[in-house]
Amino acid sequence: QVQLQESGPGLVKTSETLSLTCTVSGGSISPYYWNWIRQPPGERLEWIGYIFYSGSTKYNPSLDSRVTMSVDTSKNQFSLRLDSVTAADTAVYYCARADYDVLDHWGQGTLVTVSS
Amino acid sequence: VIWVTQSPSFLSASTGDTVTITCRMSQGISKYLAWYQQKPGKAPDLLIYAASTLQSGVPSRFSGSGSGTDFTLSISRLQTEDFATYYCQQYYNFPYTFGQGTKLEIK
Repeated sequence: QVQLQESGPGLVKTSETLSLTCTVSGGSISPYYWNWIRQPPGERLEWIGYIFYSGSTKYNPSLDSRVTMSVDTSKNQFSLRLDSVTAADTAVYYCARADYDVLDHWGQGTLVTVSS
Repeated sequence: VIWVTQSPSFLSASTGDTVTITCRMSQGISKYLAWYQQKPGKAPDLLIYAASTLQSGVPSRFSGSGSGTDFTLSISRLQTEDFATYYCQQYYNFPYTFGQGTKLEIK
């Protein structure tokens, strides 16, 4: 059974960079699309973007200028970097696998708080 | 961007009841719609994709229908473990977008 686990700091200072890693176990990172989704407190889920196992990416235009995703197939990991964060970026961040565009496996999520 | 309007936001029901949740899209998405169940402190679980196809392991009391702009999730014979928050999500085009959620509570 495929499992995903997010890791990274739970607290990031305003204007700094949020960095998270998702480790995939129980399955291969290829040939799937690997996604990041977030959920601010009390708000709906927001899709951040995906990275294909080959390294191609697609980002939500609302975050495109601040987002970078990368993948390390040797470690079965993929990562999210979000620059210049503000309080509006406080959210639970999820990583998820997409199979034919369907988000079929999710990590448990990690809360990231942005504060000065 | 495809906007997703989900209703109702809150739903109160009893075990054994049948409930329906709807999602309306700002433009047609064919059948590129998924439904998720989320319990407090947990990640969303995929219930249904392609508007009406049950994910493996999901009980048959869950069903989905619709195409184009209007979709429904029905849960029949509600059981205790079904009380949770439900989200719809379109994957017709990018960016993927979600409904605001429906919290199903025990009456």
